[in-house]
Amino acid sequence: GQQLNQSPQSMFIQEGEDVSMNCTSSSIFNTWLWYKQDPGEGPVLLIALYKAGELTSNGRLTAQFGITRKDSFLNISASIPSDVGIYFCAGQNRGNQGGKLIFGQGTELSVKP
Amino acid sequence: GAVVSQHPSWVICKSGTSVKIECRSLDFQATTMFWYRQFPKQSLMLMATSNEGSKATYEQGVEKDKFLINHASLTLSTLTVTSAHPEDSSFYICSESDLGYEQYFGPGTRLTVT
Repeated sequence: GQQLNQSPQSMFIQEGEDVSMNCTSSSIFNTWLWYKQDPGEGPVLLIALYKAGELTSNGRLTAQFGITRKDSFLNISASIPSDVGIYFCAGQNRGNQGGKLIFGQGTELSVKP
Repeated sequence: GAVVSQHPSWVICKSGTSVKIECRSLDFQATTMFWYRQFPKQSLMLMATSNEGSKATYEQGVEKDKFLINHASLTLSTLTVTSAHPEDSSFYICSESDLGYEQYFGPGTRLTVT
């Protein structure tokens, strides 16, 4: 099925460092979402973006919806050990296709204390 | 956010048997339910979408006779893996949505077929 291009695939960082990951698509979406998944669990929504150009923060997390509607990035500032996990972007076209999500391949984040 | 439960959280079955996985919304009415499959170190891949009282819509490449989906009510959807084989071993995750298109994910079910 269709998938978004998410990079990087994995990151190994030191506690306190900032992290950036992004997602691109060949088609446009009217909603971009970022999820975090811990091992053996379902994804948990971190940030939802509904408008091109929108910049939204949730604590140490900041995400932006690209102007072209084909990309988004997620930044994590001052990383801590509990940030470890897999981060997924997802594109969605609300109002059609039943609102189904198209996921990126994921970015696996490891944080060294 | 809304709470979605899945049962069982893990299951081991023998090849050739069938397994049923339940997905329940505990505090809202789900007009649409989605079933995903996730292999180790991979992303979530949508298998099918179902609306209450209607037949499920399957994604390309997903066998509808093998993965039976029933969306009997606004709070319950089931996925039955029929005649399971080792290659069906995976992490199955449901999500539920109301009319606002927000999707709330269940905790997943780990299926191992021996």
